[in-house]
Amino acid sequence: GQQLNQSPQSMFIQEGEDVSMNCTSSSIFNTWLWYKQDPGEGPVLLIALYKAGELTSNGRLTAQFGITRKDSFLNISASIPSDVGIYFCAGLKNTGNQFYFGTGTSLTVIP
Amino acid sequence: DSGVTQTPKHLITATGQRVTLRCSPRSGDLSVYWYQQSLDQGLQFLIQYYNGEERAKGNILERFSAQQFPDLHSELNLSSLELGDSALYFCASSLNPGTGDYNSPLHFGNGTRLTVT
Repeated sequence: GQQLNQSPQSMFIQEGEDVSMNCTSSSIFNTWLWYKQDPGEGPVLLIALYKAGELTSNGRLTAQFGITRKDSFLNISASIPSDVGIYFCAGLKNTGNQFYFGTGTSLTVIP
Repeated sequence: DSGVTQTPKHLITATGQRVTLRCSPRSGDLSVYWYQQSLDQGLQFLIQYYNGEERAKGNILERFSAQQFPDLHSELNLSSLELGDSALYFCASSLNPGTGDYNSPLHFGNGTRLTVT
């Protein structure tokens, strides 16, 4: 099935640095979600976005629903070791029931 | 804790066998989704149920089937298992089926790790 294009695929950063990742598609979405997955566990919801242009924060995390409705961005400020994990975006089209997931961004934070 | 419960946590079985994975959604959620995640892969959508009825189908093999019961718990049945079926199987639930302007997000369980030997 269709997957969203998520980049970068992996990131290695120093503790304290800011992180940016994004998700793009050729289709229009009316909902964007961002998840974090730790090894061997289920994805945990971080942020949900429902309107084009919407900017939502959750602590050090900020996500934006792109104006074109074809992309979304996640920023993490002042990274800490517990930010390590795989981050997934997910989008729901306005024409269907299925949530499409990005391929994931693996984040490694070096203390 | 997401409120979504999956059992068993681990399952080891042989090729050709059949297994059943169980999911209890969050209290109040009517929609259940099943996803497969192979090693170092993303989440592949298998199937969705809403209030007992099949709502959407993804890349689900014919050897696989699912259902949602009146109490809203769901089961995923995998039969004639092959080595390639080894993966993490996740259940997720949401309040609504995802067709309105406000689409409640998915909340995931911790998965069932299936190993086929």
